[in-house]
Parts: sequence; structure tokens; C-alpha cells
Amino acid sequence: AAGVIQSPRHLIKEKRETATLKCYPIPRHDTVYWYQQGPGQDPQFLISFYEKMQSDKGSIPDRFSAQQFSDYHSELNMSSLELGDSALYFCASSRTGTGGLEAFFGQGTRLTVV
Amino acid sequence: AQTVTQSQPEMSVQEAETVTLSCTYDTSESDYYLFWYKQPPSRQMILVIRQEAYKQQNATENRFSVNFQKAAKSFSLKISDSQLGDAAMYFCAYRSAGPPKYGNKLVFGAGTILRVKS
Repeated sequence: AAGVIQSPRHLIKEKRETATLKCYPIPRHDTVYWYQQGPGQDPQFLISFYEKMQSDKGSIPDRFSAQQFSDYHSELNMSSLELGDSALYFCASSRTGTGGLEAFFGQGTRLTVV
Repeated sequence: AQTVTQSQPEMSVQEAETVTLSCTYDTSESDYYLFWYKQPPSRQMILVIRQEAYKQQNATENRFSVNFQKAAKSFSLKISDSQLGDAAMYFCAYRSAGPPKYGNKLVFGAGTILRVKS
């Protein structure tokens, strides 16, 4: 079965650089979520999209932006990177109509800012 | 806002024994979903079990079962016949049952590290 695909899996950037993370949800899933997980921490919600419209926003810095495209893939753009942005970034997707059940997670993008 | 609390930072269990991980949550909503996710060292987030709040029957998935106490806002996970592969970080998570266009993100607890001893 198709899963959530995230690319790249690993990314190393220098401070003040820009990074773009991509997420390809499971086909026919209409909702995408982005989470940030620091070492030893729980995932923190950043932003979500439902049918290509932003549906909720969490603790996402102003330096970050995200969008969902017509093909339902989503991108998280991160500018002016800081050392503290080093984390694992998860994308998850879910489908309305399945009872609001589980969100399926991608394998994550590990971002290291040096 | 909803909150999820896992009061056990770490738990240990002997192989083949049973262990229970605790989770409490706070919400003013009457309809919602609860989940347990497992995160092994690979850091992949894997769904273990889910519970719909409107269902009184506790969910069970093979060796994993929950004790859902809606009035007490408690949602514990019991792992029976523990195996070495069960060693991981376990997250309890809450999700509103509202329509997704209003946002129904997963809210996670801080996690419990489970160690399995052979």
C-alpha cells in the first residue's frame, strides 16, 4: 500500500540558508499535517491543510511557510535557518470519511542546521 | 485547548511480562479520538491502537489493549507478552472529531520510553 512520502530524508543546511521539505500524501487523502520533533521531544504541530486550504496553524515561526498544491503534495519552506531548527520534520495525511481515524506519518526529514 | 499528559517518562518490563502505560487528557469536547503511537529508534511513527470516544468497548489489537475511562479522561495502554521489539517511545495522542476544515490535529503527550529486558 502507498504510504506518505517525504523528501529529502536528510538535509544539512547552514545558518541563514533556506530549506524546502516536500510531502506526498497517500492518494485520496485530503488532509496534510506538518509536525516538528526535536530530540527526545514529542511532535509539535506546525500547520495543516484540508483540500489545499490551510485549516489550522500551530507554533510555526514566521520564517516558515507552507502550501498544498493542486496535486495535494505539500511543501514546507523554511528561511533564515537557525541552529534551533534542527529537528525531525514529519508530514502526515488522513482522509475524511474514514471516521476521522488515524493520521499516517511519513518517515520524516531530518534537518540539521550547522 | 486539549492537553495530553503522560506521567511516566520511562518504564521497564521483562520480556513476556505485561506492562501498562498511563495517559490522561483534558478536553471539553464530547466526541474525539484517542491513539497510541509507537516510535522505535528509527523514529518512524507507527500507529499501535485507536479508540473512538463514543465507543464504550475498549479497543484491542493482538497483544495491545486499552483501558478507556471517559469520565476520568484516562486512556492507558496495556502490552501483554512483551517482546524485545516493543522497546520504543510510546506517545498518547488526542484528536478532535470535528470536521477537518476547522483543524483536527493530533495533540501528543510527552511520551514514555519503554525498555524491554531479556
